[in-house]
Amino acid sequence: ETGVTQTPRHLVMGMTNKKSLKCEQHLGHNAMYWYKQSAKKPLELMFVYNFKEQTENNSVPSRFSPECPNSSHLFLHLHTLQPEDSALYLCASSPEKGQGAFGNTIYFGEGSWLTVV
Amino acid sequence: QKEVEQDPGPLSVPEGAIVSLNCTYSNSAFQYFMWYRQYSRKGPELLMYTYSSGNKEDGRFTAQVDKSSKYISLFIRDSQPSDSATYLCAMSGGYNKLIFGAGTRLAVHP
Repeated sequence: ETGVTQTPRHLVMGMTNKKSLKCEQHLGHNAMYWYKQSAKKPLELMFVYNFKEQTENNSVPSRFSPECPNSSHLFLHLHTLQPEDSALYLCASSPEKGQGAFGNTIYFGEGSWLTVV
Repeated sequence: QKEVEQDPGPLSVPEGAIVSLNCTYSNSAFQYFMWYRQYSRKGPELLMYTYSSGNKEDGRFTAQVDKSSKYISLFIRDSQPSDSATYLCAMSGGYNKLIFGAGTRLAVHP
């Protein structure tokens, strides 16, 4: 148990579907993140939220739409995805926004395995 | 040139061996270095955190940073089958984002 819970763990969706990934952190952190992990590639940072405000969007296609209603919850809304979007989507949190600095380490959830058919 | 280079492996070793996992990087501003372990179909978990150069030891694990060579290492002593996982290095310069390596897959066989 990492303190970051993601649901669902597995999701299969068609290219015309709309679905959402949910993340909840129980660590009292102020920053939350969405990462994409594809086979044999480094983790790709998608979005950063700090005190529920989006502070970073790394050129992510608009078919991915994040939502952060409060510092403990983060959603990733998915619509009209492509097969190449199939990957492991990881939610993470850290005490503050600066990743890695001064012990501000990132804690990951177990991930949501997404398959687009 | 990638900011962080990590050999993807797989690395296969017998139980009890000493394992050396490495990353090289190009950005001299990096000063915070981490190693994450990721079991199959799980999220990464933080294993070691070091600041600047030097060594840090935690049980069977030792993290080493050589900033002059832009090279970091993770050593695992007396490796166990339960150490079989993918190991990700990660680093940052402070208030910028973490940069991850692609991960090295390790298999420890009995």
